[in-house]
Amino acid sequence: TQLLEQSPQFLSIQEGENLTVYCNSSSVFSSLQWYRQEPGEGPVLLVTVVTGGEVKKLKRLTFQFGDARKDSSLHITAAQPGDTGLYLCAATSNDYKLSFGAGTTVTVRA
Amino acid sequence: DTGVSQNPRHKITKRGQNVTFRCDPISEHNRLYWYRQTLGQGPEFLTYFQNEAQLEKSRLLSDRFSAERPKGSFSTLEIQRTEQGDSAMYLCASSLLGSQYFGPGTRLLVL
Repeated sequence: TQLLEQSPQFLSIQEGENLTVYCNSSSVFSSLQWYRQEPGEGPVLLVTVVTGGEVKKLKRLTFQFGDARKDSSLHITAAQPGDTGLYLCAATSNDYKLSFGAGTTVTVRA
Repeated sequence: DTGVSQNPRHKITKRGQNVTFRCDPISEHNRLYWYRQTLGQGPEFLTYFQNEAQLEKSRLLSDRFSAERPKGSFSTLEIQRTEQGDSAMYLCASSLLGSQYFGPGTRLLVL
């Protein structure tokens, strides 16, 4: 079982600021997903990365997969209150089972 | 919206009672997964179906838990003789080959 560590655990910023959250492991990932979860709801898939060094952009969100496929980051530019939520990274093992990190709780203050 | 649906959304029960949750996956998805999430943690894998076959069960899934997917479409998760430690969010996800898409979850509270 691969252990995914996410940092920071909590992040509170003002609207308009930038933020970065991290996902790290000692294991190599075949693929990695980022999800956002709001209270009382299920996780919503944001992106899947599969290639080392890959960078994907989704509007103000930029996802980077490390060259060695052991780490990933999520950067949000000009954060808005709607970006508030729990950001989870998850890695695939055995072709189907997702292992999740504990998540980063992001609060964007208006 | 043809995403993953789960029912009920909330369930409050007394310790010792049985509960059953239902998951309807995205229609063309042949893979279905159950996860459990407790406060402050990411979801933890419980079990996995490919079509109607249950291919893996986590050690978290004690003998009191049973999951079925009889026709390869919807799935049910039953917990017998519930305990307070079963209180959690139960999440269902489905996929075709790659990324998993989650339902809204069923929040269980065992009193």
